[in-house]
Amino acid sequence: DIQMTQSPSSLSASVGDRVTITCRASQSISNYLNWYQQKPGKAPKLLIYAASSLESGVPSRFSGSGSGTDFTLTIRSLQPEDFATYYCQQSYSIYTFGQGTKLEIK
Amino acid sequence: QVQLQESGPGLVKPSQTLSLTCTVSGDSISSNDYYWSWIRQHPGKGLEWIGYIFYSGSTHYNPSFRSPVTISIDTSKNQFSLNLTSVTAADTAVYFCARDRGGGLGYFDSWGQGTLVTVSS
Repeated sequence: DIQMTQSPSSLSASVGDRVTITCRASQSISNYLNWYQQKPGKAPKLLIYAASSLESGVPSRFSGSGSGTDFTLTIRSLQPEDFATYYCQQSYSIYTFGQGTKLEIK
Repeated sequence: QVQLQESGPGLVKPSQTLSLTCTVSGDSISSNDYYWSWIRQHPGKGLEWIGYIFYSGSTHYNPSFRSPVTISIDTSKNQFSLNLTSVTAADTAVYFCARDRGGGLGYFDSWGQGTLVTVSS
C-alpha cells in the first residue's frame, strides 16, 4: 500500500492566518491526491481533487499544490468555520488516507 | 443534488455479519460516471477505504482490509450494500458510503452522514 504521511498532526492558528498542511506519499502518485475537511460528527467534505483542482462550491481561500510525492494544502486567511480536521487521500492505487491534521483555534 | 443515506443495525454481535445499505437519491446509481464506495472510520481515528462497486456489479476491494467483505448493488432500488462477515470488536467504527467520481480519478465528492456500528455481545 502507498502510505500517506501528513504534517503536522495538529496545528493551532488564528482567524486570518495563512496555514499550510503537508502530505507526503511513500512513492510517486503523480497528481492523484485529494484533500478533505471533516468536522466532528460529520462526513468528510471534498475540497481539492487532482492535487490542485478546487471542488465546486469550495471557497477560493483553499488551494492545493504538488505532484509526485509532496503535496500541500494552503488555507489563505483562516475563517472560523475552517477549524476542523483535514485529510489527504491518494487515488493512484488502492485508496489510502493520511492520518489527519487537526486545525485548532489559537 | 445527490444524497446518500446509510442504514442498518447499530449493534452487531461478534462473529456475526455486519450488513449496511446505502440509499442514493438525486442521481442514478446506474451512471457510467461513478463508483460507489464504503469507507469506515474507527472512533477518533483516520479513514479506511473498504471497497467500491460499479453499477454493472464489478467490485474492487482493499486487499489490506482484514475482514471478509462483500459489496453488492441493487439498481432497481438505487441502493448498494456492504456485508462484513465474522466481525470482531475491531470492526466497531463509523461506516460511510460515498460516491467516487471514478474515471480513474478516485475522489469522493458526496458522502452519507455515516452510521456508527458497534460490535459487542
